[in-house]
Amino acid sequence: AQRVTQPEKLLSVFKGAPVELKCNYSYSGSPELFWYVQYSRQRLQLLLRHISRESIKGFTADLNKGETSFHLKKPFAQEEDSAMYYCALSEKAGNNRKLIWGLGTSLAVNP
Amino acid sequence: EADIYQTPRYLVIGTGKKITLECSQTMGHDKMYWYQQDPGMELHLIHYSYGVNSTEKGDLSSESTVSRIRTEHFPLTLESARPSHTSQYLCASSELGLAKTNTGELFFGEGSRLTVL
Repeated sequence: AQRVTQPEKLLSVFKGAPVELKCNYSYSGSPELFWYVQYSRQRLQLLLRHISRESIKGFTADLNKGETSFHLKKPFAQEEDSAMYYCALSEKAGNNRKLIWGLGTSLAVNP
Repeated sequence: EADIYQTPRYLVIGTGKKITLECSQTMGHDKMYWYQQDPGMELHLIHYSYGVNSTEKGDLSSESTVSRIRTEHFPLTLESARPSHTSQYLCASSELGLAKTNTGELFFGEGSRLTVL
């Protein structure tokens, strides 16, 4: 069963509009969640992690344990935000951790 | 500079050829991974290693093999490439242990795009 769900494969918004990329998870313990981003022709990289409670490039993501969600939000989308976004859950695997990935959401910000 | 390097970036070969995709990291990480990224951009873990002489198969079955003789090096080999192996291969490293100090972050290389004709 999929542990990390990103329901939207494609999301298209206009510049300046708010954007929300959805991520839902299933995990029995205390989850550690991440958002990774891959811009065109660039390597996949970490955008933010929930434990940091930080805002990166105007993006924030709040962990909602009641709704088991970790949605990524930005109030005013920019064209340079166009990229592939992956939600990931870190779970214990023996003495190590393992990342469970969502299928990704492609965000297109139109001028 | 600490980084993770993949070569070649692009490779076009004929069916039946043997290929090796190289991955090296100077991050000092014990853990390394190979992901396959299909045209739909989904990420599939195909191999991982938690240290020297440790290799495991990932969630997606793959005909490729890996080795981890040195901490910094994690090559992936296809003995006989086929068109179905055409894909983007991403190498990553991390310190995904249970220590509270680790950030859980994966560091990715730029990828190797393989096309098998």
